[in-house]
Amino acid sequence: DIQMTQSPSSLSASVGDRVTITCRASQGISNSLAWYQHKPGNAPKLLIHTASTLQSGVPSRFSGSGSGTDFTLTISSLQPEDVATYYCQKYNSVPYTFGQGTKLEIK
Amino acid sequence: QAQLVESGGGVVQPGRSLRLSCVVSGISFNYGMHWVRQAPGKGLEWVAVISYDGSSQSYADSVRGRFTISRDDSKNTLFLQMNNLREEDTAVYYCAKRLHSGDLDYWGQGTLVTVSS
Repeated sequence: DIQMTQSPSSLSASVGDRVTITCRASQGISNSLAWYQHKPGNAPKLLIHTASTLQSGVPSRFSGSGSGTDFTLTISSLQPEDVATYYCQKYNSVPYTFGQGTKLEIK
Repeated sequence: QAQLVESGGGVVQPGRSLRLSCVVSGISFNYGMHWVRQAPGKGLEWVAVISYDGSSQSYADSVRGRFTISRDDSKNTLFLQMNNLREEDTAVYYCAKRLHSGDLDYWGQGTLVTVSS
């Protein structure tokens, strides 16, 4: 099975900072990659699909890039409400594996 | 608006069974549907998927042979039958609707399953 590895596992940044989270697939997955935001007590929220397509209603400060094995989620200007854990997920084939998550905090 | 509401969670002893339900409203149910779980202090784990018409299912290795995903389109309801439960199945279980295949655009709030003696 294809493994998904996120880095870093945790991250602390200041409001207004540019934040980057990376996700690497152990084999190529084309652009079948999604990013989710998960806040405690809430349902996960789809941010990005098809590696770089912003889901409807998601603020434009979120963006995704990459193809094949290496992917990036970028928050252009960190806001206090962005505190959450972020997950990548591959969906080219089953199993639809998630990365281990990146916990984002405000410094 | 879209609502996915899970139910059926609770405390169960190892080796016993439990059936989760997910009622979908406000959106079409004519899509593939998934179950995803999160164990305490852990990340998200994909569990199972069923096709839009119920004709095919796939499972994570960790649950294959013990869990069965099914759907009742007349009631807009998704199910997860969990047999021979283990302590490591303790988690919040979410149902979710697929956007393209495995990317998930609508999620429920989750139901907690605790497997403990």
